[in-house]
Amino acid sequence: DAKTTQPPSMDCAEGRAANLPCNHSTISGNEYVYWYRQIHSQGPQYIIHGLKNNETNEMASLIITEDRKSSTLILPHSTLRDTAVYYCIVRVEGAGSYQLTFGKGTKLSVIP
Amino acid sequence: NAGVTQTPKFQVLKTGQSMTLQCAQDMNHNSMYWYRQDPGMGLRLIYYSASEGTTDKGEVPNGYNVSRLNKREFSLRLESAAPSQTSVYFCASSLRIGPQHFGDGTRLSIL
Repeated sequence: DAKTTQPPSMDCAEGRAANLPCNHSTISGNEYVYWYRQIHSQGPQYIIHGLKNNETNEMASLIITEDRKSSTLILPHSTLRDTAVYYCIVRVEGAGSYQLTFGKGTKLSVIP
Repeated sequence: NAGVTQTPKFQVLKTGQSMTLQCAQDMNHNSMYWYRQDPGMGLRLIYYSASEGTTDKGEVPNGYNVSRLNKREFSLRLESAAPSQTSVYFCASSLRIGPQHFGDGTRLSIL
């Protein structure tokens, strides 16, 4: 699976959009971009994933650049409960690919 | 919806003792996983079960055994606990493709 690079930390004012970047310049054509977050020491929580099109769900939006070398997770209206470590992971779907490789992620602090 | 349920939530063991961590999912998922997370580090895969009846080693399997009891349940056993196995253990499950869904973890301390 391709390696990802994320900033170690970010701050965001409560109520504003949080934009979390991720670089994955060595991503291959069949690798998906996944985002998870981990609040305190709870289990990682799945947020969203995509291959090449932008995706949106009830939690967030995922914007993937046309060359797929980077992506941005957008939390549209951040709250204090969004304070967490956010992980960007790229992985191949399907048989033979089971491990999620969590890097150090981005620690997002939402500030009142 | 319960999702992925892990028991116990906390456990303290003495070196050399054995114990089994339990995991159950109610999402009809085919695949299940056991990870460990040490302080300040990412998760590392211990064992996984791609489907009922199969298990395979992950990145850090030494000192552990697993049993896929049925489609819902996947247990992790420490036969002779060592202080190096002090960690937070997470169970996860998924369909054959798509996201993994995690439990809330078991915090294990070995003295």
